[in-house]
Amino acid sequence: DAKTTQPTSMDCAEGRAANLPCNHSTISGNEYVYWYRQIHSQGPQYIIHGLKNNETNEMASLIITEDRKSSTLILPHATLRDTAVYYCIVRVAYNTDKLIFGTGTRLQVFP
Amino acid sequence: DSGVTQTPKHLITATGQRVTLRCSPRSGDLSVYWYQQSLDQGLQFLIQYYNGEERAKGNILERFSAQQFPDLHSELNLSSLELGDSALYFCASSPTTGEVKNEQFFGPGTRLTVL
Repeated sequence: DAKTTQPTSMDCAEGRAANLPCNHSTISGNEYVYWYRQIHSQGPQYIIHGLKNNETNEMASLIITEDRKSSTLILPHATLRDTAVYYCIVRVAYNTDKLIFGTGTRLQVFP
Repeated sequence: DSGVTQTPKHLITATGQRVTLRCSPRSGDLSVYWYQQSLDQGLQFLIQYYNGEERAKGNILERFSAQQFPDLHSELNLSSLELGDSALYFCASSPTTGEVKNEQFFGPGTRLTVL
């Protein structure tokens, strides 16, 4: 599976958009990008996934660059409850279900 | 609440001992996963079962074993415990295997402390 690189930490003001970047320059054509988050010591929670098109759901938007070497998770209106560690994961969807977590980005939303 | 339950929530034991962690997946989910989260190693995939059969293996030590029972609940057995086995152990479940989304729903975890 391709390796991902994320900033260690980020801050965001409540109500503003949080843009979390992820670099996956060695991603292969059949690898999908997934985002999970972990609030404090709770179990991780799925957010969104995509292959090459931009995706949006009720939680977030995922923007993947045309060359697929990087992506950005957007939380449009961050709240204090969005404070968490966000993990960007790439995997070959049909080949394996296992999630390989990196170190993630610790997002702190402040009032 | 993800619908995945894990027992016990906390476990304190001594080196050399053996413990069993239990997981009940969401109703209808056939896949069960075990992950270990420690301060120095982060979140690591240990093993996956699908409908009673081992599906994938990660960095699971030989001292650790798991199984999934006919009612789909799973147990993770940890033996000859060492201080370094102290960690948060998560169980997750998903409806199936080999699909693109196959969202994994994580339980609240079992915190194991080895003294």
